[in-house]
Amino acid sequence: DIQMTQSPSTLSASVGDRVSITCRASQSISGWLAWYQQKPGKAPKLLIYKASTLESGVPSRFSGSGSGTEFTLTISSLQPDDFATYYCQQYNTYSPGLTFGGGTKVEIK
Amino acid sequence: QVQLAQSGAEVKKPGSSVKVSCKASGGTFNNFAVIWVRQAPGQGLEWMGRIIPFLRLPTYAQKFQGRVTITADKSATTAYMELSSLRSEDTAVYYCARGTGTINYYMDVWGKGTTVTVSS
Repeated sequence: DIQMTQSPSTLSASVGDRVSITCRASQSISGWLAWYQQKPGKAPKLLIYKASTLESGVPSRFSGSGSGTEFTLTISSLQPDDFATYYCQQYNTYSPGLTFGGGTKVEIK
Repeated sequence: QVQLAQSGAEVKKPGSSVKVSCKASGGTFNNFAVIWVRQAPGQGLEWMGRIIPFLRLPTYAQKFQGRVTITADKSATTAYMELSSLRSEDTAVYYCARGTGTINYYMDVWGKGTTVTVSS
């Protein structure tokens, strides 16, 4: 099974900061990576798919990059609504399983 | 815009089974997969399995093989996830989501989740 490792597990930042979250796959997944945002008590929300494609309606301050085994989610200017937990998810095309990273909680500094 | 409505919270005894439903409104699951993901209290997201309703073909995570059954109705508007031999560690929020993709999927529409509590 492909393992996904996210870092950091917690990130403290201020409104207006540029923040980045890294996700590493245990083997190449090409660009088959999605990012989700989850707030307490709510379902996850899709932000980005295929590593860098922004889901419709998601603010442009969110961006994704990477391919192969290393990926990054960047928030260019953190807004109050962005304090949440973020998960990466691989969906490679050569095996049916999905795996999520362990999550990164973005907290107010 | 498709929305997914899940069945209500459940409290179950250890050793019993639970069946959670996921009904699509504003569309069907045709051309999509239905993915089941769970989240234990304070923990991350865990994939359980999926079904392609058009084919009624399920695939299960190895961890849940033999305990989980995912089905879908012929109309491709409702999917179900049944988990048997429940134990306390199965206490979690169970989400269904619409899977978009071809061979494998990301999830673009999610249900609100169903809380399942396993307690004696």
